[in-house]
This record gives sequence, C-alpha cells and structure tokens, in this order.
Amino acid sequence: SQQGEEDPQALSIQEGENATMNCSYKTSINNLQWYRQNSGRGLVHLILIRSNEREKHSGRLRVTLDTSKKSSSLLITASRAADTASYFCATDGGSGAGSYQLTFGKGTKLSVIP
Amino acid sequence: IAGITQAPTSQILAAGRRMTLRCTQDMRHNAMYWYRQDLGLGLRLIHYSNTAGTTGKGEVPDGYSVSRANTDDFPLTLASAVPSQTSVYFCASRGQPQSTDTQYFGPGTRLTVL
Repeated sequence: SQQGEEDPQALSIQEGENATMNCSYKTSINNLQWYRQNSGRGLVHLILIRSNEREKHSGRLRVTLDTSKKSSSLLITASRAADTASYFCATDGGSGAGSYQLTFGKGTKLSVIP
Repeated sequence: IAGITQAPTSQILAAGRRMTLRCTQDMRHNAMYWYRQDLGLGLRLIHYSNTAGTTGKGEVPDGYSVSRANTDDFPLTLASAVPSQTSVYFCASRGQPQSTDTQYFGPGTRLTVL
C-alpha cells in the first residue's frame, strides 16, 4: 500500500509563481525523498531530507519535514515552464519494514503556464 | 552505456505470452528494483535485489519473476501475461540498499497486454 500521499493531485500556476506540494506518510521513516518525472520519462531524484532534519534547500527547491505530523512539503520558487512535470515523494523506512526500499506516493502533477 | 538502460522501449503482447523486460546498469550498484506505474496509483514495487544472487518480493509480485545472476542485469519476466499487467515498467538501481543513496531510474518500458 502507498506510504506517501501527495496533495494536491494536480496544480496549475503561472510562470514566476511559487508551487507548493505536500506529502503525508504513515509510518516512521529514515529519510524522505522527492523525485520529478517528465511526461513519458523515468524519475529523477531532486532532494533528500533525513528524519533528523527539518528543512533543506537546493537551488529553487525547499523541502520541509515534520516527523511529528508525518508530513513533508516541497516548494518550488519562481516557477518556470520547464518545471512542468509530476512530482513524487518517496519514503525510506530504513532497516524496518521494507528493507531500505522506497515507497512512492501517487504524485502531484504540476503545470506551469508561460 | 551510461546509467540504466531498459529494453524494449515499448511492446504490445498477446495475453498468455511470455515476456522478459531487460534492465542493465553500468554503475556497479548493488541494489536494483522493478516498479510498475499505473495512472492514479503511482509507482509500486514488484521485486527487488539487494545484491547479485539475491531477490525479494515487493508490493505487487504476483505474475512476475526476476533473477540477478550478476551485478549489472536484472531481468523481469512475465510468465503468462494478462491484461492487468498493462503498465509502464521502470527499473531502478541504488548504490547500497542500506544507505541513503538515491535511486536512479531507467527510461521505462511501456507494455500493453491484449
């Protein structure tokens, strides 16, 4: 069963605006990762945040993690048309259930309108 | 070869036929994974291998088998395809299963079972 659930399922914004996607999960995690998928392509890793971290930045990406609420958010600032893609969160349970496997959510489809 | 390759890119298959999806990586990663991606369901793990010579079942293993004879190759076999196996299949690899390494994905195989 899915561990992570992204919200919203779809998001449409104007170029230059910020995009925020949320992810909720159910069990304890070792780390949480965000991936991006362009239409018809494989997934590409964006950023990883460990369970003892609260916030992480990478370029225009900002990820937060609240382990007490079992939730994470991905913020893309100053969005561009090229950011149009689906975004997935994936949880890594570490040595617990799943043997270091990643469990993916269903994704948020982001459309950035030029 | 750079990264992960999958073959074929796409395939239309009659129900009941046997099919092997190929996956090869040149990064000397120990861990490899097979996922299926279906609309509205995200990515679901089919089988995994933490190192050459070992395999394990994921969330949706029924109807699929894998082998890991060496580090580089991780083929996925559908012994007798059924229409519900129509999906996009992604192979992925990771340096070490018990690390915080990210997963690297292949470009995918689009399979249609009629």
